[in-house]
Order: sequence, then C-alpha cells, then structure tokens
Amino acid sequence: KAGVTQTPRYLIKTRGQQVTLSCSPISGHRSVSWYQQTPGQGLQFLFEYFSETQRNKGNFPGRFSGRQFSNSRSEMNVSTLELGDSALYLCASSPGGGYGSYEQYFGPGTRLTVT
Amino acid sequence: AQSVTQLDSQVPVFEEAPVELRCNYSSSVSVYLFWYVQYPNQGLQLLLKYLSGSTLVESINGFEAEFNKSQTSFHLRKPSVHISDTAEYFCAVPSGNQFYFGTGTSLTVIP
Repeated sequence: KAGVTQTPRYLIKTRGQQVTLSCSPISGHRSVSWYQQTPGQGLQFLFEYFSETQRNKGNFPGRFSGRQFSNSRSEMNVSTLELGDSALYLCASSPGGGYGSYEQYFGPGTRLTVT
Repeated sequence: AQSVTQLDSQVPVFEEAPVELRCNYSSSVSVYLFWYVQYPNQGLQLLLKYLSGSTLVESINGFEAEFNKSQTSFHLRKPSVHISDTAEYFCAVPSGNQFYFGTGTSLTVIP
C-alpha cells in the first residue's frame, strides 16, 4: 500500500497570507490527524477527522482549520499567517475506531516557512 | 488527560555501546504505548508498540521496550547501537482520538 502523502513538501509564505496543506491517507484509513512540530514546542496536536467529522481539536486558535473529504483526504488551512506558524506540519492516518486502530502512520510533512 | 515525559532531551553514545531512552507516562487506566523514530527531514515512523500481552516488545532493528505498570514507564533499549540509529525518538500514548507525544530524545551515535 502507498503511504501517507503530503503536498506540498515545502512552502514559503509571507505574514498575513493564508495557506492550504493537503494530506492523502493510506487507502482504507478513515482517520486523519494533524500535528504541528516546532523545535520549541515539540509535537502538538491540531485536530483529528474521521469520516468527514472533526472528532477532536487541540488548543490552537481559530486561524487553524481543517476538513476531510469523502475519500478521506484531508486539508488544513491556516489564515492570516504569523511568523510563529513556521513549522513542520505532519499528517497521520489510522484505520480509526476500535481496538488496535491506534497505530498512526505519518507522512513526510510539509515544511512551512513564514517570512 | 494523558501525559508523557521523556527525561533526556539528548543522549550521546558511542557506536556498539548500549543505550536506554527513558519514557514515563501518567495514567491510572490501561494504556497503549508507542515509540516513534524520526530521521532528519522525515516524518515519524513507528518503532514499536505495546497494546497488551507480553510487557516486553521488540522492533525489527534490535530495539526493545518494556512496559512497567508499577513504575508507569516504557523505556526503550538497544544493546548495541549503530551510526544509523542517530535520530529523534518520541514516546507516545493515545487517549481518545489523539496522541500525546513526549518532547523527544535526540540520540547521537558517535563513531
């Protein structure tokens, strides 16, 4: 099976702009989670989607949003970018729901740089 | 909420020496525990996991971890490290529909 793919891999934006990142999960996986990784804060949970519904949300401002499509692909959007949004954004997929489905498979990430 | 503590942010070790990366979790209920590895400029890869059964779990590349309920620990060990083991290692525990990650331990293997 193909792994989790994320596009684009690298992105440079300026403050105030918005950005959309995309994630395609492993075929058959219905849960997609997003994480922000920075040297100072480590890995922080953004949100999780399952069957197009957001089931859980981390402690991030409303500028961070996401959605999931019927084919389980997911996008996350960050509006009004700030310098502090520079980070590696990781997407992870899992089968979702039930025992043994906790194993998450990560994509390579999107490196966002805000200038 | 769950939390995970990785006590060592950086661990340098000589090639072929043993290593232990420490992880403690907070929970009063049954837990699932994971170790992930991140190589430079890559995403996280699952190294090993504990879901139930034997408290000692092993990975295909020689790492092992032991679930210790009384000490709420899930330390990662390898008897002899290689240069290729240089990476960032994360301990994680799921709760609800999210994973809680430790702050990571940077393992550097010195030739």
